Amino acid sequence: AQSVTQLDSQVPVFEEAPVELRCNYSSSVSVYLFWYVQYPNQGLQLLLKYLSGSTLVKGINGFEAEFNKSQTSFHLRKPSVHISDTAEYFCAVSTAGGTSYGKLTFGQGTILTVHP
Amino acid sequence: NAGVTQTPKFRILKIGQSMTLQCAQDMNHNYMYWYRQDPGMGLKLIYYSVGAGITDKGEVPNGYNVSRSTTEDFPLRLELAAPSQTSVYFCATSNRGRGGTGELFFGEGSRLTVL
Repeated sequence: AQSVTQLDSQVPVFEEAPVELRCNYSSSVSVYLFWYVQYPNQGLQLLLKYLSGSTLVKGINGFEAEFNKSQTSFHLRKPSVHISDTAEYFCAVSTAGGTSYGKLTFGQGTILTVHP
Repeated sequence: NAGVTQTPKFRILKIGQSMTLQCAQDMNHNYMYWYRQDPGMGLKLIYYSVGAGITDKGEVPNGYNVSRSTTEDFPLRLELAAPSQTSVYFCATSNRGRGGTGELFFGEGSRLTVL
């Protein structure tokens, strides 16, 4: 079984400051890792994903994340946030390869609030 | 290109009533999923389907049923609504076949309240 833990339920930050949203996962097999963003009253949309290769992945809107296999982490970062980044962010994991039918296990979510 | 369309967007049910949440996709994806989202709990998988005629239970299937008669449609049925089913429901699709990466594409959600 897999699990995902997002270490912060809420992260307040001022505009133009850097931010890190933390995600740790547990799995006995190789995984794919994802970050999704959910704006108020909307569905989830993909920010970025790690499938293989370089452990530093870049996504949309200036976000990036680093896969650390030894620490089983996939933290999301942005060097300078904007008011429009206010949203809820979800880390998710799926089993690499074809046996999981694409099922994702989600973390609890982190609400990022950017203050002016 | 509509993507994933869910109806209705909002619904209030009385305890014991039944209803169906509709999900339609025009992305020609084989894989479809139903998740529920509760505050502070993330998303939990209810049911999923890997193709027409094939469905399977996810993490929280009790109280729900699904069917998949076509590639495009994946309705979720609540037979006897209970307050514990008050939630936001998301339908999602994935192209996990050749060239697919497993990324999920979500609908905008259906907010259900059971009173």
